[in-house]
Amino acid sequence: NAGVTQTPKFQVLKTGQSMTLQCAQDMNHEYMSWYRQDPGMGLRLIHYSVGAGITDQGEVPNGYNVSRSTTEDFPLRLLSAAPSQTSVYFCASRTTHRGWYGYTFGSGTRLTVV
Amino acid sequence: KNEVEQSPQNLTAQEGEFITINCSYSVGISALHWLQQHPGGGIVSLFMLSSGKKKHGRLIATINIQEKHSSLHITASHPRDSAVYICAVPHYLLGGGADGLTFGKGTHLIIQP
Repeated sequence: NAGVTQTPKFQVLKTGQSMTLQCAQDMNHEYMSWYRQDPGMGLRLIHYSVGAGITDQGEVPNGYNVSRSTTEDFPLRLLSAAPSQTSVYFCASRTTHRGWYGYTFGSGTRLTVV
Repeated sequence: KNEVEQSPQNLTAQEGEFITINCSYSVGISALHWLQQHPGGGIVSLFMLSSGKKKHGRLIATINIQEKHSSLHITASHPRDSAVYICAVPHYLLGGGADGLTFGKGTHLIIQP
């Protein structure tokens, strides 16, 4: 099925560990973005990409790295996990073609850092 | 300071009632998004609008650009409408970059049978 696929769905990390959250879309969307959702804070933009090879920071980029080597994939890396990074992470994509500018979201990754 | 404000934060209503959720924002925008997040966590885009009104089934979204205000209405509400409704504006309009959204904190809606 077409859409945005995030893996894993759940992850528990120890403080200081590193990991990569995967995000893949099969809709040939140019734009992709990562968000975290925390109780009382709502969704906040971490990083975004406007095409392969081009990424930039959002509101809360510290502690996270991204790269975009292909149109399809936009992984989010936590280099040294901290308890403050416990959150639900969403990846989204969009296109400006065909007159629809809305976002398609993945189902999320629930990350706990202990 | 949150530049996208929603009200109410929580809303409980009876089945069949007409529901209104409000969103106000601090800067001029080219587009505003309404999204729905169900208890299972998935987020779905409902509307993107830049002027006037859009309708999809029992959902209606309106926007007043001059007043920097948008509303989401649900007619003949049903328990399956229970969800969090979130408005969002393009991140670049609040000083950010070329993509991504800045979100309100959401309205938690419960429709009781």
